[in-house]
Amino acid sequence: GAGVSQSPRYKVAKRGQDVALRCDPISGHVSLFWYQQALGQGPEFLTYFQNEAQLDKSGLPSDRFFAERPEGSVSTLKIQRTQQEDSAVYLCASSLRSGLWNQPQHFGDGTRLSIL
Amino acid sequence: GQQLNQSPQSMFIQEGEDVSMNCTSSSIFNTWLWYKQDPGEGPVLLIALYKAGELTSNGRLTAQFGITRKDSFLNISASIPSDVGIYFCAGQGAAGNKLTFGGGTRVLVKP
Repeated sequence: GAGVSQSPRYKVAKRGQDVALRCDPISGHVSLFWYQQALGQGPEFLTYFQNEAQLDKSGLPSDRFFAERPEGSVSTLKIQRTQQEDSAVYLCASSLRSGLWNQPQHFGDGTRLSIL
Repeated sequence: GQQLNQSPQSMFIQEGEDVSMNCTSSSIFNTWLWYKQDPGEGPVLLIALYKAGELTSNGRLTAQFGITRKDSFLNISASIPSDVGIYFCAGQGAAGNKLTFGGGTRVLVKP
């Protein structure tokens, strides 16, 4: 499809397990963003890539969170030793280029993560 | 984390009514965006504003970028049932590309 694709759509894991969430951005989009959305709240920034370079990871809540985009297209957000407070919807967004204000971010439908 | 102040938090609409919501910030933003999110889906871009004072329309939607660069509003005219959903404002600052979101305005249909 033409939009941002995320998988899986739903993930249930036991506390302590590791999880990996995948994002396929819109083809040709240089910039890729991850956001975390808690129930009933707006999305909050986690990290940002320009091509394969991770330029901002200031929003990652702990060192259990790790993101990569090795070839500058698909990105993976990994959470190690999951905890219940990690339960949220994880949204991925991409934009055509960075540093240009006329390039808004387009979002995928997210992965809903539930930690039991 | 920081979020923009968005109001109202929720509102009921009747078909045909006009709807208004706004967003304020203590920080200046260079870009304001408005998104709509339906249950189980990601936010969908409605309107993007790039210049202080800018007034932009998209069909029945009208949004303005406040002159102080610290606020924005969204109006929906002649609402229809499919306008139901959660509307988010988002600001993009000069220092980087990340978006800072408001807490959302939940638009519901009057029973």
